[in-house]
Amino acid sequence: EIVLTQSAGTLSLSPGEGATLSCRTSQSVFSGQLAWYQQKPGQAPRLLIYAASSRATGIPDRFSGSGSGTDFTLTISRLEPEDFAVYYCQYYGGSPPIFSFGPGTKVDIK
Amino acid sequence: QVQLQESGPGLVKPSETLSLTCTVSGNSISTDYYWGWFRQPPGKGLDWIAIIYHSGSTYNNPALKSRATISVDTSKNQFSLKLSSVTAEDTALYYCARVRSGYFYMDVWGKGTTVTVSS
Repeated sequence: EIVLTQSAGTLSLSPGEGATLSCRTSQSVFSGQLAWYQQKPGQAPRLLIYAASSRATGIPDRFSGSGSGTDFTLTISRLEPEDFAVYYCQYYGGSPPIFSFGPGTKVDIK
Repeated sequence: QVQLQESGPGLVKPSETLSLTCTVSGNSISTDYYWGWFRQPPGKGLDWIAIIYHSGSTYNNPALKSRATISVDTSKNQFSLKLSSVTAEDTALYYCARVRSGYFYMDVWGKGTTVTVSS
């Protein structure tokens, strides 16, 4: 089973600052099946990034994804007030193939 | 615009079967997507339950030890979940979602429905 680890439980940042969120997988994975989601309180998750670096439809370009192998990053270039939320990484694969989610990183206002 | 809407009882007794339905609008369920169920226990992260293709091909989370059954009704543009022998640990916010085949990411989610397991 592939385990996803998000190193920071909480990031306390100010609007206008940049944010770098990390997701590490327990073994090397196919980046085409690594995605990132944003979840705000009381809302369903929202797809931000798929295939490690492709922005989903309607996602602002301040969100970007990168990485390969076991290390993946979600970068928010300049935090807007609406970006304070929890962010999850997700992978599908392994043997047997399953969906795995990271535990989430909360980005809150400093 | 594709929309998904979960429906089903909000309260289920321990040892009974939880049943939920997801109604898809704005998109035929018989397209090249999977359709899936996910859940989120109170204050916790996301878990996967099962996904299904319109042909009936399914993939289940082995951690649920065969308690979950997912099915599709193309005539109603719906898919459903049954989770048997529920316990308090199955109390969660249950989401249905559209899953892009090949990439296996979820691009459309329902708003979620809360299910509490309690006597």
